[in-house]
Amino acid sequence: GAGVSQSPSNKVTEKGKDVELRCDPISGHTALYWYRQSLGQGLEFLIYFQGNSAPDKSGLPSDRFSAERTGGSVSTLTIQRTQQEDSAVYLCASSPPGLAGGTDTQYFGPGTRLTVL
Amino acid sequence: AQSVTQLGSHVSVSEGALVLLRCNYSSSVPPYLFWYVQYPNQGLQLLLKYTTGATLVKGINGFEAEFKKSETSFHLTKPSAHMSDAAEYFCAVSLIRDSSYKLIFGSGTRLLVRP
Repeated sequence: GAGVSQSPSNKVTEKGKDVELRCDPISGHTALYWYRQSLGQGLEFLIYFQGNSAPDKSGLPSDRFSAERTGGSVSTLTIQRTQQEDSAVYLCASSPPGLAGGTDTQYFGPGTRLTVL
Repeated sequence: AQSVTQLGSHVSVSEGALVLLRCNYSSSVPPYLFWYVQYPNQGLQLLLKYTTGATLVKGINGFEAEFKKSETSFHLTKPSAHMSDAAEYFCAVSLIRDSSYKLIFGSGTRLLVRP
């Protein structure tokens, strides 16, 4: 079956521009996560969506970052007024509804490589 | 608070040799532990995970890991390395707080396999 897909695969933008990154989770997966992978910081959690519950936004590094999940499926991560330090690979993951939270496997997409010039 | 430490940012082995990638965790509650592998320009793929039960966990591609509570370790091993094992490996612990679940990753270990 289809895995998690992300678009675009690469994005080059100029400092100060806004960007939108898209994630299509695996069908039927109720949980969706965004992570950021950068040389200096490693893999960092950004945001978590679960069904209709309020998202956990505790990992978003600044108010320039926001994310939405429409209809419980597709998610968009938006970065406003991009800065050079936003350059990283943004990974999306989804997991199925599980009986014991925290043990469910997260399935990762290939990521979007963002370069801010 | 949960955290993960991976010893060695780079590990180099010969083809056919034992692979040992080290992971130590810190957790105030019984941990859920994961190993993921990342091939170049790809996302992360689950190798194996420990939740409860048997402490020796077998995963894909011949990898296994043993949960040792007394040592707070979850080292990844493979008896015989293949060239195709060259990749970056991440150990992670699941952080559960207020019905939110996230993975806390170690800094990763890049495995190099010499012919």
